[in-house]
Amino acid sequence: GEDVEQSLFLSVREGDSSVINCTYTDSSSTYLYWYKQEPGAGLQLLTYIFSNMDMKQDQRLTVLLNKKDKHLSLRIADTQTGDSAIYFCAFLLGGFKTIFGAGTRLFVKA
Amino acid sequence: DAGVTQSPTHLIKTRGQHVTLRCSPISGHKSVSWYQQVLGQGPQFIFQYYEKEERGRGNFPDRFSARQFPNYSSELNVNALLLGDSALYLCASSLATGGGIGETQYFGPGTRLLVL
Repeated sequence: GEDVEQSLFLSVREGDSSVINCTYTDSSSTYLYWYKQEPGAGLQLLTYIFSNMDMKQDQRLTVLLNKKDKHLSLRIADTQTGDSAIYFCAFLLGGFKTIFGAGTRLFVKA
Repeated sequence: DAGVTQSPTHLIKTRGQHVTLRCSPISGHKSVSWYQQVLGQGPQFIFQYYEKEERGRGNFPDRFSARQFPNYSSELNVNALLLGDSALYLCASSLATGGGIGETQYFGPGTRLLVL
């Protein structure tokens, strides 16, 4: 089946780390993504990880992939108020279409 | 470089009307996909077009149609609009290199459609 599950809300204090979790169903996915959506805007590709990798780090962002458990996480270090947004976990299915979760709303308190 | 562009940004229609949304991909990208994002949900796949051919279709009724032009831009058409068609319509483009990282999709700002 095609499904991605994410927790709906996360609240952190400015300067703390944020960890957003996601589980997915399709084990044949080759690429998994994290997109960010700010209010009233489109989706911005934050980072991606290839399915044969366990971890990818990109500045403040760390992506962890546990393929056995079909679990993906995004860690944002030193979270800032500008990081407040909706974060979508997604995977590439059939080589061409992207399946999205419902999104995790991150609130950063000053 | 310009990203994916979409027009119009906002649109208000009434039930039963039809609508045409437009998208221009990133320069060099040959594939365009359309997604519907209802408030509070993630985007849902509608179509993908590559080299003017439909490459895939999501679970949407025949009222939804699309086409791609020789310059790789695309139009999404929705006929007989329903209240439930109110959503943000997102266009995404990709290099479409036959799988792999070239299939990564880059999104435009969307067209917000309100059906009254």
